[in-house]
Parts: sequence; structure tokens; C-alpha cells
Amino acid sequence: KQEVTQIPAALSVPEGENLVLNCSFTDSAIYNLQWFRQDPGKGLTSLLLIQSSQREQTSGRLNASLDKSSGRSTLYIAASQPGDSATYLCAVAGFNKFYFGSGTKLNVKP
Amino acid sequence: SQTIHQWPATLVQPVGSPLSLECTVEGTSNPNLYWYRQAAGRGLQLLFYSVGIGQISSEVPQNLSASRPQDRQFILSSKKLLLSDSGFYLCAWSAQEGNQPQHFGDGTRLSIL
Repeated sequence: KQEVTQIPAALSVPEGENLVLNCSFTDSAIYNLQWFRQDPGKGLTSLLLIQSSQREQTSGRLNASLDKSSGRSTLYIAASQPGDSATYLCAVAGFNKFYFGSGTKLNVKP
Repeated sequence: SQTIHQWPATLVQPVGSPLSLECTVEGTSNPNLYWYRQAAGRGLQLLFYSVGIGQISSEVPQNLSASRPQDRQFILSSKKLLLSDSGFYLCAWSAQEGNQPQHFGDGTRLSIL
């Protein structure tokens, strides 16, 4: 069974810092990997989707990479802002199912 | 464009009462539909998914059931709620074609008293 792990569980950084969130998965037979943002008490907002054949995707200050062979993905956030404070979750897609990590709670201090 | 609606946003129910949470998707047809539960500070646990009308797959044995009476309607139910059913329930959809992203509703906060 696919298991997804996210490290660290929580992260606090000063505004302006670049940071990296990590996601690892145990089964490399995935269709894609998706990064989400979740604000307290809210649903999940999709940030980036990386297909299994891709190595990275970029959207604004966000860059996500995927190394299927090693079972790892990273989400890079450049020049962090207080508005980036949220929980970030990664999910890997199997056949008709998605497997989620438990998230990294990010706090960006002004 | 596609949208997903989930209601109610919050619900407080006594132990032993029934439950019905509804999720509908607009702007697409024949989506895959999903129900997740998220405990406080935890990741998402997949409860049910459906690839078509009347087709329900259950991921974990529990006190809940799901139904898909129409193509874009997904319902989560219980006959008798337990305290352990408290949590944040999220509905999601994805296109049937491979390699498509998941899109989530705003969630329902369920508190059992």
C-alpha cells in the first residue's frame, strides 16, 4: 500500500526566506503528484500538479520537483510571505485513488 | 468551468442520530468522486470513492456509507453517529481520464455531542 510522508510537520520562517517542503512516497508507480494548500477550516486548494513523466512544475514563486525513482518530491517557495502561512499537503495518484501525506504546517513571520 | 458544492458547512449532531452530507459537481460529466475525512492535525483518510452511478468503493470499515444516485451527486450517510465520527469531511472530484488533478469542496465540520 502507498504511504506518503511529509517532513517537517511544522516549519516557522521569517518573511522573505526561501524554503523547501519535502514529500516522500513508498511506491514509485504513480500517475501524478499534486501539491495542495489548506487554510484553517477550509478545503484544499490545488497548487501544482506534476505528471509522472515530468520532473518539475512552476507557478509563480512555487516550484515543485518530482523524482519518481527515489520516491521524492519537493515544493520550493521563494521569497516567502505571511500570506503563505497554511498547511501544505502532497498527494500521489494511483489508479482511481489519491494518497495524502499528513502535511507541513508553515508559519511565515512578518 | 467546473465547480464542486458541499453542504452543510458545519453540523452539530447528537450521538445516535442519522447523517446525510451532500456533494454535487457542476460543469463536468462522469467524474470520479471521493469522500475523505480529516482528523485534527492529520492528513486525509479516503473513505469512499465512486467511478460511476451506483458504484461505490469503501476504503475502511466504518459506521458510514456512501451513495451516488446521480452522475454528479455523492452522498455520505450514517444511520447512527458515533463520537468517533467527528471530523472534517471533504468531497473531491477528478476527471475519469488518467493523470487528472483532484478538486476539493470547502468541507463540512461535523461535531458529535
